[in-house]
Amino acid sequence: DTAVSQTPKYLVTQMGNDKSIKCEQNLGHDTMYWYKQDSKKFLKIMFSYNNKELIINETVPNRFSPKSPDKAHLNLHINSLELGDSAVYFCASSTASNTGELFFGEGSRLTVL
Amino acid sequence: AQSVTQLDSQVPVFEEAPVELRCNYSSSVSVYLFWYVQYPNQGLQLLLKYLSGSTLVESINGFEAEFNKSQTSFHLRKPSVHISDTAEYFCAVSGGSYIPTFGRGTSLIVHP
Repeated sequence: DTAVSQTPKYLVTQMGNDKSIKCEQNLGHDTMYWYKQDSKKFLKIMFSYNNKELIINETVPNRFSPKSPDKAHLNLHINSLELGDSAVYFCASSTASNTGELFFGEGSRLTVL
Repeated sequence: AQSVTQLDSQVPVFEEAPVELRCNYSSSVSVYLFWYVQYPNQGLQLLLKYLSGSTLVESINGFEAEFNKSQTSFHLRKPSVHISDTAEYFCAVSGGSYIPTFGRGTSLIVHP
């Protein structure tokens, strides 16, 4: 029973399309995140939600819109995909103790052609 | 603001040799420190963490890291590596905001 699950695992699409990645955690955590990992493995925080409310929104184009229907889900919707959006997107969650310890999903590899 | 520097992007080593992966951080507040491991095509998994107490922390698979406040370091060590330790290793620091900042990763390559 996967703790943090993301779907789809792989996504190949054309420039200009709109796509979504879903994330669910069954750990009972209050905080969820989206990270982007580029081709050089660099991990960058994109968004953080605490109890369905946005608490961090780094300098991410507004084509990226997170949606949190409840505290167990944080989905990522991307409009008008560009070549530079190709990356692996990781969802993560953490407890309310907020030490910074994260539990990651397995990642969603997005390829924009 | 906080930052993490992993000085080595790649560390090749032979099986059963010792290894050290270096991590230095900067932060204006007290910190929590982490090492995560990422195996190929997988997500990141927590390897070990320093929150408080003993400055030497260990993982279940033989890795250890020591928090050195004066040198602002949290280097990862293993006395004898195995082929299965081949992976990407990320050091991370969290401070006042508790949102962790990651280093750029070190690729550990273990040769037979």
